[in-house]
Amino acid sequence: QKEVEQNSGPLSVPEGAIASLNCTYSDRVSQSFFWYRQYSGKSPELIMSIYSNGDKEDGRFTAQLNKASQYVSLLIRDSQPSDSATYLCAVNRVDQAGTALIFGKGTTLSVSS
Amino acid sequence: ETGVTQTPRHLVMGMTNKKSLKCEQHLGHNAMYWYKQSAKKPLELMFVYNFKEQTENNSVPSRFSPECPNSSHLFLHLHTLQPEDSALYLCASSRQGSDTQYFGPGTRLTVL
Repeated sequence: QKEVEQNSGPLSVPEGAIASLNCTYSDRVSQSFFWYRQYSGKSPELIMSIYSNGDKEDGRFTAQLNKASQYVSLLIRDSQPSDSATYLCAVNRVDQAGTALIFGKGTTLSVSS
Repeated sequence: ETGVTQTPRHLVMGMTNKKSLKCEQHLGHNAMYWYKQSAKKPLELMFVYNFKEQTENNSVPSRFSPECPNSSHLFLHLHTLQPEDSALYLCASSRQGSDTQYFGPGTRLTVL
């Protein structure tokens, strides 16, 4: 059973702080990794993708990937109350059934002003 | 706006009703997906279509019947549902060969 694990939280940080969200995955052959943000009652919105080991920065967001440790993380700098949402980690699955994404349960982030 | 639309946005139905969910993507993609999202559970992949052909059915009960008439449209026909089928049903699309999926706004389904 291929799995993606996330701490469900809630993760609470004050406004302006760095929020660190973590994700581990079980399938060593996975090559594509995604972070989606989902506001309450809304659908997931893609915010970051990463394919190579190391860091990838996009504005206040930095995704970090370590394939050897099967670990991917998302850092949010200068956290804002509008960042309060559930963050879903997704990892591609490659097997005889074809490609698809496996999602974690999500980490709920709460940014207090 | 992601370019993926879903209708209706909310649906309440009885267990004996028949209804359909519709998804349309305006992104030129050729892979489409149905997911179910229940409270406290990860997104569950239900069906995958590539170039109108179903390539995956994740042991979904037959009371859910998908239809993909072309690469831009995807339907989920519902029949004799159970209260535990109440959930957010999400449609997504992607380009062939890409893992990047874009989601529609979802249909919030309540089965009474």
